[in-house]
Amino acid sequence: GEDVEQSLFLSVREGDSSVINCTYTDSSSTYLYWYKQEPGAGLQLLTYIFSNMDMKQDQRLTVLLNKKDKHLSLRIADTQTGDSAIYFCAESMRPGGSYIPTFGRGTSLIVHP
Amino acid sequence: DAGVTQSPTHLIKTRGQHVTLRCSPISGHKSVSWYQQVLGQGPQFIFQYYEKEERGRGNFPDRFSARQFPNYSSELNVNALLLGDSALYLCASSLVPNQPQHFGDGTRLSIL
Repeated sequence: GEDVEQSLFLSVREGDSSVINCTYTDSSSTYLYWYKQEPGAGLQLLTYIFSNMDMKQDQRLTVLLNKKDKHLSLRIADTQTGDSAIYFCAESMRPGGSYIPTFGRGTSLIVHP
Repeated sequence: DAGVTQSPTHLIKTRGQHVTLRCSPISGHKSVSWYQQVLGQGPQFIFQYYEKEERGRGNFPDRFSARQFPNYSSELNVNALLLGDSALYLCASSLVPNQPQHFGDGTRLSIL
């Protein structure tokens, strides 16, 4: 079955880069996503990448996909205190015609001055 | 434009009761999905609807049901509530099922 794994915590200093890693198991994944969840809120779609891409950059965010190793990473440049949140990796497959994202447990990013 | 809206934001129920949660998708989005998120976990998929038809169902008991209305809004119903149903229930919408989903802020359900 499908499974998405992430490390649970990451602590960085303000202004440094953050790299959040994720591994997934299903090689038939079509989309891979990064979501951000702040306390008391829902999930905010940060970025996503198609499985036929290796990299995607969007302002301070860079997503790298290594399909061979089934590894996805999210790099946040110049990390700010407002980036403190839980970050979820998700993969989306197409069983029976529906695209159902499977989420990891989330990585709690702590940004300190 | 309004994002995905869910109501109510918080709800307290007792064991054995039933609950109805509501979701309005982003304007123009025809696909709605429901998720359960317990503390410390990622969202777990419950249902997906598209054009008023069920397109996917997660590993949840039959006490959970949902429907989608002609205006694409959706309801999630849970019967015979158990303590373990306490969670944040998230609704997400997308234009069509194969597009990235956008989430609402959820309904926090507490069972006493």
